[in-house]
Amino acid sequence: SQTIHQWPATLVQPVGSPLSLECTVEGTSNPNLYWYRQAAGRGLQLLFYSVGIGQISSEVPQNLSASRPQDRQFILSSKKLLLSDSGFYLCAWSVQGAYEQYFGPGTRLTVT
Amino acid sequence: SQQGEEDPQALSIQEGENATMNCSYKTSINNLQWYRQNSGRGLVHLILIRSNEREKHSGRLRVTLDTSKKSSSLLITASRAADTASYFCATDSWGYSGAGSYQLTFGKGTKLSVIP
Repeated sequence: SQTIHQWPATLVQPVGSPLSLECTVEGTSNPNLYWYRQAAGRGLQLLFYSVGIGQISSEVPQNLSASRPQDRQFILSSKKLLLSDSGFYLCAWSVQGAYEQYFGPGTRLTVT
Repeated sequence: SQQGEEDPQALSIQEGENATMNCSYKTSINNLQWYRQNSGRGLVHLILIRSNEREKHSGRLRVTLDTSKKSSSLLITASRAADTASYFCATDSWGYSGAGSYQLTFGKGTKLSVIP
């Protein structure tokens, strides 16, 4: 069966510090991968998606970036965090050509 | 931009009652999905209904889709305390030409509280 992991689960970082969130998927090959952000009491905002290694599409201009160094690894990064980057970050995967997405447990990021 | 909008924003019912949540969207879709999110957790896929379907069942879940009104409803029958969660509808748009990547647009969700 497929599983998706995210770490860390929670993170408190000062403004201006770097960020690296990691997501890995097990039990499947060549998945589509997605990064979402969810502000408190809000819906999900799609940040990045990837259909293959090294292929990243950005949906929202911001100080975040994403990379996919391996088939089942998706990384969300920032060089300098802003207060507005606080939120709940969710990674998801889907089978190529399928509509359903499967989400990880999320990372709660607080920028202070 | 927000595609799906859930209604109501919050719903509180007694255990055993039915819960109905609605979703409206603006543009044509291939299908519509419903997801559940327990507090502080990731989303869990519940059910997908295609644009050519009008009704779909899965256990205690019943989903309807009215493409003429651009709306969907999720009915949870005989609710349980464990159904307490936020429920989101999601609609799709083709995101990457030549590759199978569908971008989902989520609404803000309906927060359901089931009181034991």
